[in-house]
Amino acid sequence: AQTVTQSQPEMSVQEAETVTLSCTYDTSESDYYLFWYKQPPSRQMILVIRQEAYKQQNATENRFSVNFQKAAKSFSLKISDSQLGDAAMYFCASNEKLTFGTGTRLTIIP
Amino acid sequence: NAGVTQTPKFQVLKTGQSMTLQCAQDMNHNSMYWYRQDPGMGLRLIYYSASEGTTDKGEVPNGYNVSRLNKREFSLRLESAAPSQTSVYFCASSENRERYGYTFGSGTRLTVV
Repeated sequence: AQTVTQSQPEMSVQEAETVTLSCTYDTSESDYYLFWYKQPPSRQMILVIRQEAYKQQNATENRFSVNFQKAAKSFSLKISDSQLGDAAMYFCASNEKLTFGTGTRLTIIP
Repeated sequence: NAGVTQTPKFQVLKTGQSMTLQCAQDMNHNSMYWYRQDPGMGLRLIYYSASEGTTDKGEVPNGYNVSRLNKREFSLRLESAAPSQTSVYFCASSENRERYGYTFGSGTRLTVV
């Protein structure tokens, strides 16, 4: 079974700066998918970005990008030009039963 | 709007009472899931249904039952609510081995007193 670990319960960043959220995972699968979800105060779970494990290229969605290190089983999320609307809980997850990490609360400092 | 609909959004129960959380999706997804979210613990899988007619236990199934009524609907039942079941419950659905992630409902905040 997969496990997903987020070691940063809380992070903060100045508005317009860049922040990186860490995630590590463990799996015996060769074909898998990884995701970052955002949960704002509204409680809605929003898919931010996904990475296919067999692809070497790191996924990018506008200001959000990942640093996927398959050998190290690391999947970090970089948020560039942070905005106040980025304040939320961020969860890393894998597609095996969609296992979630425990989340990182991101605060944006104006 | 297409998506996952959960009802109710909020509920307060007394210990020992029963209730059913309803979930419906209109995206023709095969798989549906129930999660609970507790502070500091992320989301934990309670039960899932890979396809109509099948259900399987997840990480924390004790105290819950589920029914996959048809392809659209997947309900979660608490037969005798306990304070430890106070949580936020999410229903989700997915297609194609979850390659594209999950679509989540808006959640149900349940308090058991």
